[in-house]
Amino acid sequence: DQQVKQNSPSLSVQEGRISILNCDYTNSMFDYFLWYKKYPAEGPTFLISISSIKDKNEDGRFTVFLNKSAKHLSLHIVPSQPGDSAVYFCAASAPGGTYKYIFGTGTRLKVLA
Amino acid sequence: KAGVTQTPRYLIKTRGQQVTLSCSPISGHRSVSWYQQTPGQGLQFLFEYFSETQRNKGNFPGRFSGRQFSNSRSEMNVSTLELGDSALYLCASRGAEYNEQFFGPGTRLTVL
Repeated sequence: DQQVKQNSPSLSVQEGRISILNCDYTNSMFDYFLWYKKYPAEGPTFLISISSIKDKNEDGRFTVFLNKSAKHLSLHIVPSQPGDSAVYFCAASAPGGTYKYIFGTGTRLKVLA
Repeated sequence: KAGVTQTPRYLIKTRGQQVTLSCSPISGHRSVSWYQQTPGQGLQFLFEYFSETQRNKGNFPGRFSGRQFSNSRSEMNVSTLELGDSALYLCASRGAEYNEQFFGPGTRLTVL
């Protein structure tokens, strides 16, 4: 049972445009969400996170939106750059200090120059 | 501050063998988690250690085990290797004041 889903395995965007990566979850107990970026042959790199008490968090070109009623979050990258080409994973954790992160299957973003 | 390191980076084993992977967390981090990444499956949580105790476990068979030492370094062991164990194994560490995990580069295990 995939509790965190990234239904788009890949996405291509023109340089300078907005990239929108989506993530859906099923467990309403999740209270913390993260996005990671992964390049080939490297471990995932933390990008941005959001607590369930917020609906938006911004960090430079990256913004994460959380819609709790729809159990949906999205990562917006504006403007997209060729160096953003990577696999993006969303992850979620439940409260209680367990820090058992559930990851989605990833979306491969390709930013075209 | 040095990042998370994992050794070895690449490993080739045959079915039935066992393997031990090592992870050194960021200095001061006491939580270490292990993940398996296979194509199409994302990152699957294996287990988390904190202060030498396993605090969380994913849905993997008992062939997968781990431990953590007093210096927070962690090892993961897989016994009786199967072809399906071929994957990238990632280790992540977390500090007490953060929710974010910081990943190492991973160990690419190939089982022949």
